[in-house]
Formats: sequence, C-alpha cells, structure tokens
Amino acid sequence: GAGVSQSPRYKVAKRGQDVALRCDPISGHVSLFWYQQALGQGPEFLTYFQNEAQLDKSGLPSDRFFAERPEGSVSTLKIQRTQQEDSAVYLCASSSRLAVYYEQYFGPGTRLTVT
Amino acid sequence: SQQGEEDPQALSIQEGENATMNCSYKTSINNLQWYRQNSGRGLVHLILIRSNEREKHSGRLRVTLDTSKKSSSLLITASRAADTASYFCATAGDNTDKLIFGTGTRLQVFP
Repeated sequence: GAGVSQSPRYKVAKRGQDVALRCDPISGHVSLFWYQQALGQGPEFLTYFQNEAQLDKSGLPSDRFFAERPEGSVSTLKIQRTQQEDSAVYLCASSSRLAVYYEQYFGPGTRLTVT
Repeated sequence: SQQGEEDPQALSIQEGENATMNCSYKTSINNLQWYRQNSGRGLVHLILIRSNEREKHSGRLRVTLDTSKKSSSLLITASRAADTASYFCATAGDNTDKLIFGTGTRLQVFP
C-alpha cells in the first residue's frame, strides 16, 4: 500500500515568506507526527495529532509554527514569516494507535531552504 | 533538545565485518527503537525493544537494552555495502507516542 507522502519535496522561501507543508499519512493511521531535522542531526519532535486532536505541540519552536489536521487525515504544517534558522528537513510520520508497538512510518520529508 | 547520544558518530568498515553502534538516553522509557536513514531519504524503522526486554534479533540485526545503564546497542552482522546509512536510536516514554531521537551514527561499508 501507499506510504506516507509529503509535498512539496523541496521548498525555497525568501526570509519573511509564509510556507505550508503537506503530509498525507498512511490511510487509517490515527496518529500523525511532525519532526524537524537539521543537517547532520537527528529529527526533533515538533507536534503530534491523534485523529484531528493536537495532543502535544511542545516541540514547536515559536508561535510562527502552526499545524493542523482538521479531518483527522491530511495535515499541514505552516510556518509564518520564515527565518533562516527554519531551514531544515521537515519529516512527517504516522502510526496506528491500534498497534501493540509504536512503530512510526516516515515520509521522505520536505527540505526547506530559507534565503 | 535531543535526548539520546550515540557513538561512534561515524564508523567505516569493510563488507563482511560487524558494525556496533551504541546509544545512551536520559529518562525512563517505554521502548527504544532503531531507525535507518539513507542519504536524502526518510527514516525506516528497523527494530523495537521494550523496556522489559534485554535482547532482540531481526535478521542480521541484534539489539540489546540495559535500562539500569540507560543504554542500547545495535549490532549489524556480516555488513553489506547497502547497509551504508545513518542509524538513529529513538526512545518513547510512557503515555506518549512521540519519539526522542539520538544524534545518529553514520555507517560507511566499503565493498
């Protein structure tokens, strides 16, 4: 079956622009996660949804970052007034909350470059 | 901030050799997972070990967990050039599904 997909794969934004990153999770997966991965580092947690409810947004670095999942499926991560330090790969992952184990399935990521 | 520290940061070996990478973490966990990331691609789940388990095998992979030392190791036996990738440990705490990743080990396997 189809895995997690993300779009766009690459995004170049000028400093101050707003961007929107999309994630399509695996069909039927209840949980959806966003991570930020800087070059040469491991992913860092941003936020987590269970269905349409945002249960944890403790990792969002500032109020310029906003995520939503209005119908419990597709999710969008929005970054307002982008800054150079926002340059990173943004990874989306989904998992089945019904599974015994908490394995997460990751998308290919969106590489954001802020110039 | 990341919880896990992995060592070595980088490892180069010849095909057929074994590769061992270690992970340390800071707080109590529900489980620990290992992921692989090829250059420019997403992460792929390799293996999960629960906090009440000490060792687990999957194909050429062997994972150990020592909760008293808050550490884990991943052993890849009989390595192949296709194993070249970055390897990350990630921990999941109780009452949360979010993962806290380590800094990663970059493995290079030469044919």
